[in-house]
Amino acid sequence: DTAVSQTPKYLVTQMGNDKSIKCEQNLGHDTMYWYKQDSKKFLKIMFSYNNKELIINETVPNRFSPKSPDKAHLNLHINSLELGDSAVYFCASSQEGTGRKLFFGSGTQLSVL
Amino acid sequence: KQEVTQIPAALSVPEGENLVLNCSFTDSAIYNLQWFRQDPGKGLTSLLLIQSSQREQTSGRLNASLDKSSGRSTLYIAASQPGDSATYLCAVRLGKIIFGKGTRLHILP
Repeated sequence: DTAVSQTPKYLVTQMGNDKSIKCEQNLGHDTMYWYKQDSKKFLKIMFSYNNKELIINETVPNRFSPKSPDKAHLNLHINSLELGDSAVYFCASSQEGTGRKLFFGSGTQLSVL
Repeated sequence: KQEVTQIPAALSVPEGENLVLNCSFTDSAIYNLQWFRQDPGKGLTSLLLIQSSQREQTSGRLNASLDKSSGRSTLYIAASQPGDSATYLCAVRLGKIIFGKGTRLHILP
């Protein structure tokens, strides 16, 4: 059973489109994250959700909006996609009381043409 | 501002050798430090997590140490194997999590 799963694995789309990436974790964790890995492989946090509340929002354009329908899901919606949004997006989760060990999904490779 | 640096950026060693990967951070007030490996085109796999109160953690051939006062952590890999080839990242947690840029390790058969 996959602990943190995200879909789709690959996403190719045109500039200006709106797209969503879904993430689900079955670990019962209380915090979920979205990370962006750029072409230089540098990982940077975008959002963190704890019990359905946004607690970190790192200088991310407001075209990106995280949506958490419940504690097990944190979806990423992107409006008006731009070429510079091309990257690999990773979902992750952690739990208070376990040392906040991070568990990552396998990533979504987004290519904006 | 917390900065995390990993040196070297890339490393090639013959199979069977022991090796050390380095991670340094500028703010010693960390909550924990975690080592990950990332295979090409894959997500991150957690290797070891060291809490701020701990000095080291071990898992199989891997040993991670933490020296908060000097802002350093090392990942020691014993008896390296070709399957150890991957990018290794360290991440420190304060209120948020900051990743280093990783060390690309290549084990030569």
